[in-house]
Amino acid sequence: KAGVTQTPRYLIKTRGQQVTLSCSPISGHRSVSWYQQTPGQGLQFLFEYFSETQRNKGNFPGRFSGRQFSNSRSEMNVSTLELGDSALYLCASSLYVGADRDKGYTFGSGTRLTVV
Amino acid sequence: AQSVTQLGSHVSVSEGALVLLRCNYSSSVPPYLFWYVQYPNQGLQLLLKYTSAATLVKGINGFEAEFKKSETSFHLTKPSAHMSDAAEYFCAVRGSTSYDKVIFGPGTSLSVIP
Repeated sequence: KAGVTQTPRYLIKTRGQQVTLSCSPISGHRSVSWYQQTPGQGLQFLFEYFSETQRNKGNFPGRFSGRQFSNSRSEMNVSTLELGDSALYLCASSLYVGADRDKGYTFGSGTRLTVV
Repeated sequence: AQSVTQLGSHVSVSEGALVLLRCNYSSSVPPYLFWYVQYPNQGLQLLLKYTSAATLVKGINGFEAEFKKSETSFHLTKPSAHMSDAAEYFCAVRGSTSYDKVIFGPGTSLSVIP
């Protein structure tokens, strides 16, 4: 059974550019969550999608956006990149949202974004 | 609002010694609690979870954690450390409503000394 796939693994962008990261969840999983991981802030919740609908959103500026497609694949986009956006972006999938989410997440290996 | 604290950003133990990683949570409702492990350049892997069943939870790789409501704690233990246990460990909490998000603690880096 394939795991959570995130592409690309590494990315270098220039300040002011925009970037799109992709996440393919485990087959059959309908919930996808995104986290930003940095040494200073740890794991910060970005947003969660379930059945193409955003169910929850963290405290990030509007430059961070996401979407989910009918096959449950998800993308997140960051516009007007800043140096502080350099981080490991992790995607996590789970079968359901709500009470069954207590089964925990399955994480991808992440996309390492460096903004120069 | 829920929050998680992990005492000690870095813990060192000798191989074969007891591993104890501390986690305290703050939640206004009975929470779901998790421990995850992260190896270098990888995502997080679920070690174990508490979901209001047994208070002593056993996970993978010989780890276990005990939920203590009176202390709002969910400490992770392993009787005998192995070199392969060296990694970053994260405690996480989530409330019981469908709109609650999973909040992660700051993490504890575990080093195992041969």
